[in-house]
Amino acid sequence: TQLLEQSPQFLSIQEGENLTVYCNSSSVFSSLQWYRQEPGEGPVLLVTVVTGGEVKKLKRLTFQFGDARKDSSLHITAAQPGDTGLYLCAGRGVGAQKLVFGQGTRLTINP
Amino acid sequence: DTGVSQNPRHKITKRGQNVTFRCDPISEHNRLYWYRQTLGQGPEFLTYFQNEAQLEKSRLLSDRFSAERPKGSFSTLEIQRTEQGDSAMYLCASSSRGDSYNEQFFGPGTRLTVL
Repeated sequence: TQLLEQSPQFLSIQEGENLTVYCNSSSVFSSLQWYRQEPGEGPVLLVTVVTGGEVKKLKRLTFQFGDARKDSSLHITAAQPGDTGLYLCAGRGVGAQKLVFGQGTRLTINP
Repeated sequence: DTGVSQNPRHKITKRGQNVTFRCDPISEHNRLYWYRQTLGQGPEFLTYFQNEAQLEKSRLLSDRFSAERPKGSFSTLEIQRTEQGDSAMYLCASSSRGDSYNEQFFGPGTRLTVL
């Protein structure tokens, strides 16, 4: 069974600070996706990474896929209150169609 | 906006009743997925369709759960004899077979509360 461990589960920081969320597994994934979810809504896709070592940037968000395609990180620079939400990583196993999700990181940015 | 839509958004039912949820995927997407999300957890896979064929089912999908996608467009998820443990957010997602990344786009979910 493939598992994705996300850390930290909760993070509360001040506006302007930087943060990193980690997503780790012992399994290899063919792709890994990061989603953001607001209360009472479905997850919204932020980015997909597919190549080992790949780095993608989305404004102040930087996503990295590990060289071995077993882990990923999300780094936010100069966090803003609008970044508050639940961040989920989700991996797709080799040859699989379904996504395996981490338990999420609930991020709160205080003004 | 022609994203994934789900109905109803909220459903409150009594234990033992049957409920049915509907999902309309993005129109050109031929793959459709159902996931379940309980409070404080990430979504868990339930089942997926490619066109009208149900190709994979999770062990989470007990005998009381059934999903259909009769014409390869919308899908329904039915739960018979609901139990309190069925209370969760039921999420639908769709993707295109032509997308090598298989990016899945989610609907807003149906929140089920079983009393």
